Amino acid sequence: DTGVSQDPRHKITKRGQNVTFRCDPISEHNRLYWYRQTLGQGPEFLTYFQNEAQLEKSRLLSDRFSAERPKGSFSTLEIQRTEQGDSAMYLCASSLNHLYGYTFGSGTRLTVV
Amino acid sequence: DQQVKQNSPSLSVQEGRISILNCDYTNSMFDYFLWYKKYPAEGPTFLISISSIKDKNEDGRFTVFLNKSAKHLSLHIVPSQPGDSAVYFCAASADAGGTSYGKLTFGQGTILTVHP
Repeated sequence: DTGVSQDPRHKITKRGQNVTFRCDPISEHNRLYWYRQTLGQGPEFLTYFQNEAQLEKSRLLSDRFSAERPKGSFSTLEIQRTEQGDSAMYLCASSLNHLYGYTFGSGTRLTVV
Repeated sequence: DQQVKQNSPSLSVQEGRISILNCDYTNSMFDYFLWYKKYPAEGPTFLISISSIKDKNEDGRFTVFLNKSAKHLSLHIVPSQPGDSAVYFCAASADAGGTSYGKLTFGQGTILTVHP
């Protein structure tokens, strides 16, 4: 059990480009969450997967954002046509059941220039 | 609409003394509360939690108190150590019956500095 792994750790991209982040949850965890954290704020919920099904999406997740979790294992979060306001830390978390073992990864810091 | 608020952006404490971090919430549906600690460039690390059926939970140096009538919780760290210096977030979940799937609502965080 190596914890929740996120890749890349840092991403700098030009405005208008597409970016994709990957999250590998703890292997036996069936629940996976994406959060976004901006400077001076706490993490904000983006979306939730139970196995491969995306069961909840925040209003923060605009049409430019899409998340997938094929086969209920790793997950990807894609942002299309990035904007400067997308600059943030994107955090992934996984849990086994409800709130048990809720574990966060180290995050991907996105900077849009 | 900030449903979870940590009104103190920072707290400075001497080593060995008590640190008290406060958190207020507005959503009466919240039934489970957690505290996380975060170092720079790392994800939040779980510290301690409390269910709404309790008013106190203790784990070593960390104790969380919940006052449901006041919609207020606090984290006490005794004794405080320099290694406790980090950002502390409280988080809440309205997950009774599993309807919110474990979605957490976080406060803005409090920067704790423990001086040697």
